Amino acid sequence: AQSVTQLGSHVSVSEGALVLLRCNYSSSVPPYLFWYVQYPNQGLQLLLKYTTGATLVKGINGFEAEFKKSETSFHLTKPSAHMSDAAEYFCAVGDTNAGKSTFGDGTTLTVKP
Amino acid sequence: GAVVSQHPSRVICKSGTSVKIECRSLDFQATTMFWYRQFPKQSLMLMATSNEGSKATYEQGVEKDKFLINHASLTLSTLTVTSAHPEDSSFYICSAIVNRGGLGGETQYFGPGTRLLVL
Repeated sequence: AQSVTQLGSHVSVSEGALVLLRCNYSSSVPPYLFWYVQYPNQGLQLLLKYTTGATLVKGINGFEAEFKKSETSFHLTKPSAHMSDAAEYFCAVGDTNAGKSTFGDGTTLTVKP
Repeated sequence: GAVVSQHPSRVICKSGTSVKIECRSLDFQATTMFWYRQFPKQSLMLMATSNEGSKATYEQGVEKDKFLINHASLTLSTLTVTSAHPEDSSFYICSAIVNRGGLGGETQYFGPGTRLLVL
């Protein structure tokens, strides 16, 4: 069984500030981890994913995430927030690179000018 | 990048009618597609796995007779909500798997979603 917990349903940051969205997972097998972004009334767009290898994963739009097995975490960060980053972010865990994934409840990121 | 489309993007229907939602992979063949449901301000819930040429696999608690899935070709899967009721109102999202080979070959691409409102 797999599960995902996203800490903080709402995160608000100022433009230019650090973005940190937290994700903890539970998995009985080596996990595949994903971060997705969703803009209003749109589908999901993959930001980045961890499969194997390097634990620091770089994605699109300046986002990156670090897989920490000891902490069962996969937090998403971006050094400097932009207004266009305001969206809903979902962390997901799967047992394959693609296919069935279990999603977290999502975190709404608000960026203040 | 791979593109997945959904049609319609938005549909309003009367209670008791059936609604068909299409999911197409535009520039690749997808042997596997997934259908998700998302309630407002909530996460995605996997409804079923759609396999080309075979019956869909439904997640526990999803009524297969209510949510009919047909994956008739390698580029098209359809979800039909039969005898829709207001509680079926939701955002339905499909995704398709593409395997481009090499390291981490499989990738999941999501459609833009279909918002269904049942009156």
